[in-house]
Amino acid sequence: QVQLLQSGTEVKKPGASVRISCRVSGHRLGDVSMQWLRQSPEKGLEWVGGFNPEEAARISAPNFQGRVTMTDDTDTNIAYMELSGLTSDDTAVYYCATGSVDFWSGYPSWGQGTLVVVSS
Amino acid sequence: QSVLTQPPSVSGAPGQRVTISCTGTSSNIGAGYDVQWYLQVPGTAPRLLIYSNDIRPSGVPDRFSGSKSDSSGSLSIAGLQAEDEGDYYCQSYDTRLSGWGVFGTGTKVTVL
Repeated sequence: QVQLLQSGTEVKKPGASVRISCRVSGHRLGDVSMQWLRQSPEKGLEWVGGFNPEEAARISAPNFQGRVTMTDDTDTNIAYMELSGLTSDDTAVYYCATGSVDFWSGYPSWGQGTLVVVSS
Repeated sequence: QSVLTQPPSVSGAPGQRVTISCTGTSSNIGAGYDVQWYLQVPGTAPRLLIYSNDIRPSGVPDRFSGSKSDSSGSLSIAGLQAEDEGDYYCQSYDTRLSGWGVFGTGTKVTVL
């Protein structure tokens, strides 16, 4: 059973960037298609982006294109998501999650979430 | 900004059956993508309950069942229990971008 452990709460000012880590245990990071999602009361659950094995590429949702960078460090088994140009609208709980084995059957395993607060 | 529509709340007495609907469009569920269901207890991450429309992961009680028809999906909980309280979300994919996961608005289930 894969387990995901995320980094802690972040407080950032508008315009700044935030980087969240997600440590994978019980599986090799290179063997999972890591996804990133977020949740806020205003916008609900949103898919930010992730690795699409069919495209062999990391793809992000239109709202995040140009602002999000997702990387995998397979030596340490840690995935990272960096979001730049933060605004108050980016205040949310961010989750890493694994894609399903066939990619199209949801997100079986989730991290515990990382709260990101954007405030001046 | 949720793409799939769910009722805000449903409730039922212990032992009753409740059903949650999830309405999509031809850009997601209606395009042939499967529906997943998640349960979220406050303060925790969502937990996958149903995938590929009607398949329960190991460990999910068989009182949970799912189905899909045209552009909609549904989740039924038979024999409602107190531990089933929480927020339920449906999820599918969008045709406009490969791998774009889209979620429902969420339904709060209350056990009376």
